[in-house]
This record gives sequence, structure tokens and C-alpha cells, in this order.
Amino acid sequence: EAQVTQNPRYLITVTGKKLTVTCSQNMNHEYMSWYRQDPGLGLRQIYYSMNVEVTDKGDVPEGYKVSRKEKRNFPLILESPSPNQTSLYFCASRLAGVGHEQYFGPGTRLTVT
Amino acid sequence: SQQGEEDPQALSIQEGENATMNCSYKTSINNLQWYRQNSGRGLVHLILIRSNEREKHSGRLRVTLDTSKKSSSLLITASRAADTASYFCATDGRGSGNTGKLIFGQGTTLQVKP
Repeated sequence: EAQVTQNPRYLITVTGKKLTVTCSQNMNHEYMSWYRQDPGLGLRQIYYSMNVEVTDKGDVPEGYKVSRKEKRNFPLILESPSPNQTSLYFCASRLAGVGHEQYFGPGTRLTVT
Repeated sequence: SQQGEEDPQALSIQEGENATMNCSYKTSINNLQWYRQNSGRGLVHLILIRSNEREKHSGRLRVTLDTSKKSSSLLITASRAADTASYFCATDGRGSGNTGKLIFGQGTTLQVKP
């Protein structure tokens, strides 16, 4: 089944404790992105990747890192999480080029206390 | 920045009625997509309409696009309780093809009462 998977689905952590949210897709998509969803602010792109070893900042990259060492994986790293990073996070992927739908993962609900 | 503005913000109808949601955007686009999100869960892709298309159908869904007015509408016919969800439009703007970025509207929350 074609899908984007994320782990963990739920995470409660404390300020400053490094964490990684994994994302994997099995559709051989070139493009992968991370979004965060917050009430009243909608979905905003954090980082994106156009292919292996090619990543760039989205609209809200502060406090996040990503890597793309393999085509299928695009982990999101929070080196020192803060409470303002409490949010619902989505990974997405799609084929390169224009006019392709994005496939979203199920989401990771992160709470930083 | 949020490009899509959706209207209404909330909609409550009876099962069997039609639901219409509207989306407006600000810049030129390659295509516009509609997504559904059940409460706190992932986004499910519903339909994509390209900038050179005016109307598209998929099952009980009908999407229109008016690029001169920079607006789109999503019509769900013969609604069911299972259609209760939030619906988002998302634009793939000209120049954003390399980033894979979609710009989302704030969404319309649809409640279908049995």
C-alpha cells in the first residue's frame, strides 16, 4: 500500500531533550516536506527536500533540522525542543514536477512541557 | 503566509443536503487541491484541479476553479454523516513547484447531522 508513515504518533517530552520524528514513504517520491499545524495558523511548511542530500528551509524552520540521506526517509530533528514547538506535525511527499498530489502521513502530536 | 481563504469557516447541514465550500487565493497557481481532515488526523487528498481546468468531478465531489477571480469551490452532494470533517484548499503556486510547498487555507469545518 502506498503510504507515508510517521513515528511516533504521539510524544510528550520536556524542554531541551533532543528528539527525532521519523518519516518514510514507499512511493519513490522525490519531494518530501514537513508541516506543522496550529490552531488559527493552519498548516505551515517547516522544511522540504527535493531529493537525496537536497534540503531547504520552508516558512518556519527555526528550531528544526532535517536530513535526507535516503530517498524514502526524511526525519525531523528538534535539537532542543521548546514549548512553542508543541504542535501537530505532518510529513508529506510527492513526485517531482508540477501537478502532483501530495500524500500526507498520519501526523505526530508533540507536546513539549 | 496563508494564501487560501475559505468560506464559510463552519458549516452545519443535514444528511442528504449538499455542502458548498469556497476558497480564494491571491497569487497565480499551477493547480489547486482540496483535502479532508478528520479531527486531529492526517490529511486525505480529495481532488486536484489544474489552472487550465474549470471543473472537475470525483464521485460526489465537484470542484470548480475560476482563475480570473482566483477562487475555487468544492461541492459535496448528498452529504453523509461520514463527511463530517475539516476541508482545506491548498495551492501550488507558480514558482513553488521546486519546493513541493502547498499553501493552505484555514479550512471549513463541516458537520453533517444524521
